[in-house]
Amino acid sequence: SQQGEEDPQALSIQEGENATMNCSYKTSINNLQWYRQNSGRGLVHLILIRSNEREKHSGRLRVTLDTSKKSSSLLITASRAADTASYFCATEAITQGGSEKLVFGKGTKLTVNP
Amino acid sequence: GAVVSQHPSRVICKSGTSVKIECRSLDFQATTMFWYRQFPKQSLMLMATSNEGSKATYEQGVEKDKFLINHASLTLSTLTVTSAHPEDSSFYICSAKTRASYEQYFGPGTRLTVT
Repeated sequence: SQQGEEDPQALSIQEGENATMNCSYKTSINNLQWYRQNSGRGLVHLILIRSNEREKHSGRLRVTLDTSKKSSSLLITASRAADTASYFCATEAITQGGSEKLVFGKGTKLTVNP
Repeated sequence: GAVVSQHPSRVICKSGTSVKIECRSLDFQATTMFWYRQFPKQSLMLMATSNEGSKATYEQGVEKDKFLINHASLTLSTLTVTSAHPEDSSFYICSAKTRASYEQYFGPGTRLTVT
């Protein structure tokens, strides 16, 4: 089952505005990752935040993590039309075979209008 | 670096035929490869995890005999959809990782359409 749940499911903003996407999860985690997917393409890793971190920055991206609330947020500042994509959070779980696997949320579809 | 390719990018096949999708790590050796399925406007669902040289581990509800996975080398994994049916039409994405890294590197995906 999908552990991560993002909201909103869809977000439409104007270029230059900030976009905030949220993710909630259910179990304990070692880290939480955010990925981006352009339409009809594979995923690109954006950022990882460890369970002992509260905030992390990478360029125009800012990720927060609240383990007490089991939630994370991804903020994209000064958005650009090229940021239009779907964004997924992912947490790690263990497969039946003992390997680590990623469990993805349902994603937020972001549209940045020029 | 860390490029993963998939071939083909799109395939259309007739119901009842089998289709093979290749996933290659181009510039690193992948100890683990993952196969996902994604329906339109939905998230990725893990189908199976494969480690080089060993049998794939399938997620609950995924038919092993229908989705054959072979991870013959550290740079190649294949997914064969056997006796494909229209409901198998989907976007299939692979990813690869090394033992030393948490990060998964994703291929561009394969769009399968079964007519």
